[in-house]
Amino acid sequence: SQKIEQNSEALNIQEGKTATLTCNYTNYSPAYLQWYRQDPGRGPVFLLLIRENEKEKRKERLKVTFDTTLKQSLFHITASQPADSATYLCALDVNNDMRFGAGTRLTVKP
Amino acid sequence: EPEVTQTPSHQVTQMGQEVILRCVPISNHLYFYWYRQILGQKVEFLVSFYNNEISEKSEIFDDQFSVERPDGSNFTLKIRSTKLEDSAMYFCASSEDRQWRTGGTEAFFGQGTRLTVV
Repeated sequence: SQKIEQNSEALNIQEGKTATLTCNYTNYSPAYLQWYRQDPGRGPVFLLLIRENEKEKRKERLKVTFDTTLKQSLFHITASQPADSATYLCALDVNNDMRFGAGTRLTVKP
Repeated sequence: EPEVTQTPSHQVTQMGQEVILRCVPISNHLYFYWYRQILGQKVEFLVSFYNNEISEKSEIFDDQFSVERPDGSNFTLKIRSTKLEDSAMYFCASSEDRQWRTGGTEAFFGQGTRLTVV
């Protein structure tokens, strides 16, 4: 069956460290993958998109990698801040629409 | 900055009643979506809509659900006879183009309508 797995429900790190979140998928061949941020009680907010022919994408303190052989994307936040605390969702295109993983709740402690 | 707006922010309804959730997508967007999120669970795709018809729908989107674009600005989700398990946050989203056509494009989400069925 098709699965999108974000293998940590929760991740706690110290301010200033790099947070690394993982998204694995099975039985999909997505043309691209997206990462969103969701704060409690709010809608997801787009962060980054990476296409299947791109290995890495950066935006300010954010970096995403996409390995179609491993069927995995890694999402990094460098120099993390307490304001980065949120749930981060990966999303894949499935039949031309986005499907989300369950998310990883990141807490950055001061 | 343009945004997707949803009304109401919170709706309480009795089981068996019909509800209509409303969304105003971003004005130049062509593709519209509904997602739902049961408390503590993941964001689940319900339906996508383009050119006044459904493009894709998930197994969740059964005959109890329908969508409509009644005019040039609104996009609605109707649940005909609500069940307790329909209680969730419902998110509307819109995008400029279909995800696959441009190799992917971001979707803009509204703040959601929290539906509580009692």
